[in-house]
Amino acid sequence: AQTVTQSQPEMSVQEAETVTLSCTYDTSESNYYLFWYKQPPSRQMILVIRQEAYKQQNATENRFSVNFQKAAKSFSLKISDSQLGDTAMYFCAFMKRGSGNTGKLIFGQGTTLQVKP
Amino acid sequence: GAVVSQHPSWVICKSGTSVKIECRSLDFQATTMFWYRQFPKQSLMLMATSNEGSKATYEQGVEKDKFLINHASLTLSTLTVTSAHPEDSSFYICSARYRLELFFGEGSRLTVL
Repeated sequence: AQTVTQSQPEMSVQEAETVTLSCTYDTSESNYYLFWYKQPPSRQMILVIRQEAYKQQNATENRFSVNFQKAAKSFSLKISDSQLGDTAMYFCAFMKRGSGNTGKLIFGQGTTLQVKP
Repeated sequence: GAVVSQHPSWVICKSGTSVKIECRSLDFQATTMFWYRQFPKQSLMLMATSNEGSKATYEQGVEKDKFLINHASLTLSTLTVTSAHPEDSSFYICSARYRLELFFGEGSRLTVL
């Protein structure tokens, strides 16, 4: 079975600064996806970034980038130039890839990020 | 982008009644949808996988007779909480897969009095 662990329940950062959220996972699968989702106070889940495990290059989306360490099973999210709108709960998630993959996501516990003005 | 819509967004019901929550994929067909439950400030817990035209697959510990899931068409899945009790009060979220991404509904807050 797969597990996803986020060890930082809460974090805060000053506006315009950089913050890194941690995520580790455990799986015996070799082919999978990793995701970071954002859940703002509206509670709408929003995809922040996706990483395919077979790609060594770290994914980036504007101010968001990941540090994917496959051997260490680590998948951290870096938010640069933090903005007030980044205040949200962030979830790391795992999904198997390949035959039989239905899209089932396994979520971490979440990290509540507050961006302070 | 693909849109998933849930209805109602908030429902209050009396203990013992049943409540139905709808999840629709508005601009794509979804053979598989997922239902999650989320308590305040906690993670999303997968309840079941809803399969169009067949029975839902429930996660361990989820009462299938309590949480009835019907995937009647390629764009609609429903979750019915039967004989609801206060402990069923929670935030319920659905998602549907479109290509390589999962899209989430807005969520439905259930309050059982």
